[in-house]
Amino acid sequence: EAQVTQNPRYLITVTGKKLTVTCSQNMNHEYMSWYRQDPGLGLRQIYYSMNVEVTDKGDVPEGYKVSRKEKRNFPLILESPSPNQTSLYFCASSLTLDGIEQYFGPGTRLTVT
Amino acid sequence: GEDVEQSLFLSVREGDSSVINCTYTDSSSTYLYWYKQEPGAGLQLLTYIFSNMDMKQDQRLTVLLNKKDKHLSLRIADTQTGDSAIYFCAEKGTGANNLFFGTGTRLTVIP
Repeated sequence: EAQVTQNPRYLITVTGKKLTVTCSQNMNHEYMSWYRQDPGLGLRQIYYSMNVEVTDKGDVPEGYKVSRKEKRNFPLILESPSPNQTSLYFCASSLTLDGIEQYFGPGTRLTVT
Repeated sequence: GEDVEQSLFLSVREGDSSVINCTYTDSSSTYLYWYKQEPGAGLQLLTYIFSNMDMKQDQRLTVLLNKKDKHLSLRIADTQTGDSAIYFCAEKGTGANNLFFGTGTRLTVIP
């Protein structure tokens, strides 16, 4: 079954404690992205990757890092989380840039206190 | 980045038609999309339209694109309670960056 998985699904943490949200896809997609969803703001892209070792900033990259060492995995790293990073995070992958076959993960709800 | 705007809420009665509207600013958009997000779930692509099309119909869904006014709409015929969800409009420009999403419209279907 084609899917994008994220872990953890829920996380409560404290300011400054480094965390990683994993994302994995089983469709051999080249293109992967991270978004955050906030009420009234829709989804905003944090980072995207066009292939292994190729990543670039989206609209709201501050405070986040990513890596793409393997095609299937695209972890999101918060080196020093702050309360304004409390949000719902989605990973997505697609075969092409046009986004027609873009699959989203189930989301990770992060709370930073 | 590009602006994509939607109204936040829409309520309709079961069996009526729903029309969700979206405006965008990027005149170089190549594709425009409608996604559905059910409670606690990720986004699911409902339909999309290429920018050189005016209309696309897929079963109960009709997408209308007015490129001159940069206006996109999604009409759901015979709306059912299972259609209650948040609907996101998104547009894809010509750059390498990914999609730009609207704020989402929460559709509530009243039985």
